[in-house]
Amino acid sequence: KNEVEQSPQNLTAQEGEFITINCSYSVGISALHWLQQHPGGGIVSLFMLSSGKKKHGRLIATINIQEKHSSLHITASHPRDSAVYICAVARAGNKLVFGAGTILRVKS
Amino acid sequence: DVKVTQSSRYLVKRTGEKVFLECVQDMDHENMFWYRQDPGLGLRLIYFSYDVKMKEKGDIPEGYSVSREKKERFSLILESASTNQTSMYLCASSTSGGARDYGYTFGSGTRLTVV
Repeated sequence: KNEVEQSPQNLTAQEGEFITINCSYSVGISALHWLQQHPGGGIVSLFMLSSGKKKHGRLIATINIQEKHSSLHITASHPRDSAVYICAVARAGNKLVFGAGTILRVKS
Repeated sequence: DVKVTQSSRYLVKRTGEKVFLECVQDMDHENMFWYRQDPGLGLRLIYFSYDVKMKEKGDIPEGYSVSREKKERFSLILESASTNQTSMYLCASSTSGGARDYGYTFGSGTRLTVV
């Protein structure tokens, strides 16, 4: 079993829909990151969480430390949100362990 | 803004060549990392460094070495490139503050093809 599990693997949505991507982890962590990767592009850090909830524009990230679970929500989705979204947990020494990623496609 | 710059976006090398991938960050971060990304396997840690001249093996160090002579620069070396090292290589840097300060920044990646 992978230390970091993401679901779904693939997600297709219509423009305007509310989107949720889930991440579960099985190890102790110091922080959890949500990352975004566009095709052929580098990786951009969206959020770093150690507790609670963070919001940036249309993106919301939550984490439940007791349940070892985090969610990334996108409100009013747009085709430009199409990307791979990756959950990563920070272990000792700030080394990241990554989920497999969720491929999101938003259709107009 | 923190910037992590990788010297090449695309690279094609021959089997057996010694390959250098360079990474430079401009925010005085203590920690630097090299990851590779492969379809179906995700991102995996090759090597990391917490300080100048310091290096530690990650999960898949075989066939690689690193050099950190200056704080801002972290180089990944493929001693003798092989076709199974064809991959996307990503450099990253982070602060070494407390658990609430582990900001992470990635470079744009180097897509290496070994022929």
